Amino acid sequence: GEDVEQSLFLSVREGDSSVINCTYTDSSSTYLYWYKQEPGAGLQLLTYIFSNMDMKQDQRLTVLLNKKDKHLSLRIADTQTGDSAIYFCAEDSNSGYALNFGKGTSLLVTP
Amino acid sequence: SQTIHQWPATLVQPVGSPLSLECTVEGTSNPNLYWYRQAAGRGLQLLFYSVGIGQISSEVPQNLSASRPQDRQFILSSKKLLLSDSGFYLCAWSGDSLGDQPQHFGDGTRLSIL
Repeated sequence: GEDVEQSLFLSVREGDSSVINCTYTDSSSTYLYWYKQEPGAGLQLLTYIFSNMDMKQDQRLTVLLNKKDKHLSLRIADTQTGDSAIYFCAEDSNSGYALNFGKGTSLLVTP
Repeated sequence: SQTIHQWPATLVQPVGSPLSLECTVEGTSNPNLYWYRQAAGRGLQLLFYSVGIGQISSEVPQNLSASRPQDRQFILSSKKLLLSDSGFYLCAWSGDSLGDQPQHFGDGTRLSIL
């Protein structure tokens, strides 16, 4: 099956930018997604990008997609302590219904 | 707007007991519905999905079953729980177009098997 890879941990200082990276393997994915999970909670859809786009910006969030390298990144500008959470990258799967998730990147924002 | 509800939020059950987790969606019709399990390693595994009433597809063989008795209701069940069924269970919904709708998740059920 396809694998979505993410680094497991990232620590940044409050006010800095955070960049969370993801690599995926399914070149036929139509959409790629970023979800946020706070402790004990479900997954919250943050943003998603259509595969024919290179970039999408939504307030403090910027998604960059390099389809050639199958690389997706999420940049959070002016990171706040409330941004501390686990961030999941996901891609459409071949079945068309399931999403393939990475194992998540745990972001810690320190004061 | 659309909302998704799961209950209970936490559940502690003995090995061998039955299970019923419920998920309902409001504000949309004919959604695709999903059950995922998130184990300790944080990855999400799709267990079941449904594209309509009474239509259930299983992604992995297991001790669990799913049912969709109504358009916006999705139930995860087991007749006899195993220790390995412990985990965080997440229900999700998406629009009824294949593959091009994001999935929206409920708050999850933390299941502990003793």
